[in-house]
Amino acid sequence: GGIITQTPKFLIGQEGQKLTLKCQQNFNHDTMYWYRQDSGKGLRLIYYSITENDLQKGDLSEGYDASREKKSSFSLTVTSAQKNEMAVFLCASSIPGLSNERLFFGHGTKLSVL
Amino acid sequence: GDQVKQSPSALSLQEGTNSALRCNFSIATTTVQWFLQNPRGSLMNLFYLVPGTKENGRLKSTFNSKESYSTLHIRDAQLEDSGTYFCAADDTNAYKVIFGKGTHLHVLP
Repeated sequence: GGIITQTPKFLIGQEGQKLTLKCQQNFNHDTMYWYRQDSGKGLRLIYYSITENDLQKGDLSEGYDASREKKSSFSLTVTSAQKNEMAVFLCASSIPGLSNERLFFGHGTKLSVL
Repeated sequence: GDQVKQSPSALSLQEGTNSALRCNFSIATTTVQWFLQNPRGSLMNLFYLVPGTKENGRLKSTFNSKESYSTLHIRDAQLEDSGTYFCAADDTNAYKVIFGKGTHLHVLP
């Protein structure tokens, strides 16, 4: 079986700071995703990537950048952290195929901004 | 409006009773997934469905693509079933997976 590893697990930042979250998968999946989850709420798609060097905006892309440096790696950057922001960022990857998008998740990165 | 709409948003059940969660879609979708997020935050994949029905223990899920909905039935609810249940649908026109806002389930002893 494979695994999705997100680093760091916890991230504390300062207002206005640029923060980068990393995600690695060894499933050899083509598509990778970044979702944001606010306390008690659902998952909202920030960015996704269907192959190496590809980037697609989700519903919540403003304020974020992403980079798919290689097939196994997808990073997300918060361009300017907002004061008192708290959320969990979840990375996922999926089995290849347009109609076969079974998702596998990492354990998340919890962000707190002071 | 929400492309993937879950109902109810919250639910309390007595241990041992049955219930059904529902997901309605306003996007073209060919697959549906159901997840359980436990109180620690981890997401567990419960079902991955093409149109039809799957069953696993006390859980059963149906995806009706013609009427654009999916249901998750929980039989004989147990305390460990508590958590947030999410459904997710692949948007076949946009090549991405969209989540509902979740159903918070609390099973009472």
